Amino acid sequence: EAQVTQNPRYLITVTGKKLTVTCSQNMNHEYMSWYRQDPGLGLRQIYYSMNVEVTDKGDVPEGYKVSRKEKRNFPLILESPSPNQTSLYFCASSSTSGRARNEQFFGPGTRLTVL
Amino acid sequence: AQTVTQSQPEMSVQEAETVTLSCTYDTSESDYYLFWYKQPPSRQMILVIRQEAYKQQNATENRFSVNFQKAAKSFSLKISDSQLGDAAMYFCAFTYTGTASKLTFGTGTRLQVTL
Repeated sequence: EAQVTQNPRYLITVTGKKLTVTCSQNMNHEYMSWYRQDPGLGLRQIYYSMNVEVTDKGDVPEGYKVSRKEKRNFPLILESPSPNQTSLYFCASSSTSGRARNEQFFGPGTRLTVL
Repeated sequence: AQTVTQSQPEMSVQEAETVTLSCTYDTSESDYYLFWYKQPPSRQMILVIRQEAYKQQNATENRFSVNFQKAAKSFSLKISDSQLGDAAMYFCAFTYTGTASKLTFGTGTRLQVTL
């Protein structure tokens, strides 16, 4: 089954404790992206990657890091989480060619709470 | 930069009735895609319908259809014969055509379906 998976689905942590949210897709997509969802703000892009070893900032990159060492994986790293990073996080992927190149597939979301 | 506006934070519809959700956007580009995503309580982002800007014909998917007015930069979603399972948050989203790029989302409209 074609899918985007994220782990963990729920995470409660404390300020300053480094964490990683994993994202993996099995559709051989070149493009991957992280979004955060906050009430009243919709979804906003954090970082994206056009392919392996190619990453760039989105609209709200402060406090986050990413890496793309393999095509299927795109982890989101919070080196020193703060309470304002409490949010719902989505990973998404899409092809960069063909008719479906602009159709993004979303993971199930990760609910992060930073105390 | 493009913006997407959903001016209706909440809407309500009776089962079997029709409801229209509004979306406007602002862009200087002429070639782009527009989407409606549904987010039920499970938080999964589900693609409902997509519209290519170069197509004059409005997209339809079963009970879901759009009214795309390119000159007015308007992209409303009509849900016919509403069902209880349609209750969700609905997001309008925009992306440029071409190599995969980020989705810009509106702030969402919460749809309630009543008996």
